[in-house]
Amino acid sequence: AQSVTQLDSQVPVFEEAPVELRCNYSSSVSVYLFWYVQYPNQGLQLLLKYLSGSTLVESINGFEAEFNKSQTSFHLRKPSVHISDTAEYFCAVSGAGSYQLTFGKGTKLSVIP
Amino acid sequence: NAGVMQNPRHLVRRRGQEARLRCSPMKGHSHVYWYRQLPEEGLKFMVYLQKENIIDESGMPKERFSAEFPKEGPSILRIQQVVRGDSAAYFCASSPGGHNEQYFGPGTRLTVT
Repeated sequence: AQSVTQLDSQVPVFEEAPVELRCNYSSSVSVYLFWYVQYPNQGLQLLLKYLSGSTLVESINGFEAEFNKSQTSFHLRKPSVHISDTAEYFCAVSGAGSYQLTFGKGTKLSVIP
Repeated sequence: NAGVMQNPRHLVRRRGQEARLRCSPMKGHSHVYWYRQLPEEGLKFMVYLQKENIIDESGMPKERFSAEFPKEGPSILRIQQVVRGDSAAYFCASSPGGHNEQYFGPGTRLTVT
């Protein structure tokens, strides 16, 4: 079984400042890792994923996350946030080859003008 | 290519009534997953279905909840005799195979009064 911990429930940050959203997981097997974003009253959109290979993965809108196996972490970062990044971000894990996603409780990112 | 569709988007039921939530997967996807999101919580896996088969219902409450994915038509999540604790957002996801990336719908927000 897997579990995901997102320590920060809310993160306020000023526009154009950097941000890091933390995600730690526990698992007894190899994992796939995901970040999803949820805008108000919308469904979840996949932001980026780690399946294998390079431990640093990037999204098309400037976010990146690094898989750190020794620290069991998959933190999400962006060097300069925009107002439009205001949303809730969910970290998720599945056992490699499994279909069942386990989600963290989410982090609400608020970008302040 | 239309995404995952869910309807209704909002559903209000009185205690004791039945709720039916529908999910149409993306074109070409034959695997459907249902997740529930309680307030201030992450998404929790409920059930995984393929056409005409329930593959894994380990996350489904033992009573009042059922799911189906018929040969023709959308997947249905059915909640009988709803109670206030069933109030949540219910998300459907689909994938082309059982170990592929899951695409989420916009969700159905169920309110039980």
